[in-house]
Amino acid sequence: ETGVTQTPRHLVMGMTNKKSLKCEQHLGHNAMYWYKQSAKKPLELMFVYNFKEQTENNSVPSRFSPECPNSSHLFLHLHTLQPEDSALYLCASSQYFDRGMDGYTFGSGTRLTVV
Amino acid sequence: EDKVVQSPLSLVVHEGDTVTLNCSYEVTNFRSLLWYKQEKKAPTFLFMLTSSGIEKKSGRLSSILDKKELFSILNITATQTGDSAVYLCAVEAYFGNEKLTFGTGTRLTIIP
Repeated sequence: ETGVTQTPRHLVMGMTNKKSLKCEQHLGHNAMYWYKQSAKKPLELMFVYNFKEQTENNSVPSRFSPECPNSSHLFLHLHTLQPEDSALYLCASSQYFDRGMDGYTFGSGTRLTVV
Repeated sequence: EDKVVQSPLSLVVHEGDTVTLNCSYEVTNFRSLLWYKQEKKAPTFLFMLTSSGIEKKSGRLSSILDKKELFSILNITATQTGDSAVYLCAVEAYFGNEKLTFGTGTRLTIIP
């Protein structure tokens, strides 16, 4: 375990469903991120939260809706997704400002399949 | 737009060989370059480099950054089957918010 826990590990959903991905970090970090990893493409940054405030929305469609109730928890709410949204969704955390030398810590991801 | 290019895209070597993975980048307001190893799902942190010419080392892995030529290399000596993974390079820029831009990765396969 990396200290960043994501649930569920796998999710299959229909295009009309609503589901949520959850991320929790136990590292005392104050910044959290959502990334999308599609086959043969680089990891793409979706959202950034620093100190619970959203500071980045990387042109993500509105069918993805993030929520960060506190600095330890991050959600990604999904609705009316498309098959091309099938991917591995990774959560990461870091210490903003005084990061030290340990970079960003990633969770194991949620493998999402939209049918 | 920030850009990270990794080469080769894939590499197959025999156990015991030494490999060198490459990462070149273009980024505004460079802050750091990071290497990650991704075996199944969670990318695991290897190195963060901020200064040119200073080698970071961890066991059989080492990495160095050249900020003038805008590239980094990751070396793995005496490779083992457990080194088989995708190695990701990312650069971090700072615009008042941290942003990581990733390359597509190098898929390394070690044959026993």
